[in-house]
Amino acid sequence: ETGVTQSPTHLIKTRGQQVTLRCSSQSGHNTVSWYQQALGQGPQFIFQYYREEENGRGNFPPRFSGLQFPNYSSELNVNALELDDSALYLCASSLAGLAGGPGRQEEQFFGPGTRLTVL
Amino acid sequence: LAKTTQPISMDSYEGQEVNITCSHNNIATNDYITWYQQFPSQGPRFIIQGYKTKVTNEVASLFIPADRKSSTLSLPRVSLSDTAVYYCLVGDMYDYKLSFGAGTTVTVRA
Repeated sequence: ETGVTQSPTHLIKTRGQQVTLRCSSQSGHNTVSWYQQALGQGPQFIFQYYREEENGRGNFPPRFSGLQFPNYSSELNVNALELDDSALYLCASSLAGLAGGPGRQEEQFFGPGTRLTVL
Repeated sequence: LAKTTQPISMDSYEGQEVNITCSHNNIATNDYITWYQQFPSQGPRFIIQGYKTKVTNEVASLFIPADRKSSTLSLPRVSLSDTAVYYCLVGDMYDYKLSFGAGTTVTVRA
């Protein structure tokens, strides 16, 4: 079973540029979530994709956008980069319906992340 | 979403038991309690999940009192490799997102 993979590992961009981060979900998973983790803080939810549609969104501006492909892999795009976008970007996959019972939160499997630095 | 409160940091020594308590006074009836572990420069990893009483797996135990307003993650006989940030999360299956707080940094010393 292949785990969640992300690319690239590290990335350096300058303010105003655009960036695309990629994620391959764990085999058999149909849901991908993206999180932003600033240094010293917990991950913050950006959005989730389920069957190629956005399923929910956190408190992030529209310049953060995403895609999910038929094979359930996903991209996170960030336009007009700002210095505060420097962070570790995490992708997590899960299987909707895996929870197996009412009230059981789905376990999410995280990738190693992409470290983005904006100069 | 129920807000969680946990200590910022804890120190321990190899071989000791580490107990991290998380407060979640506003937990809802359908909420589960989940703990994740995160090593530096890695994504979080699911440790354990429970609804009430006690849950144990090969890694940890989770103790939840009857009122469910708090929970305690117990790590038995820690080693240096257990040094990590531990996050307590509360939510139900309709919470499509995981809400992480700042977590508890556990440092295990030799």
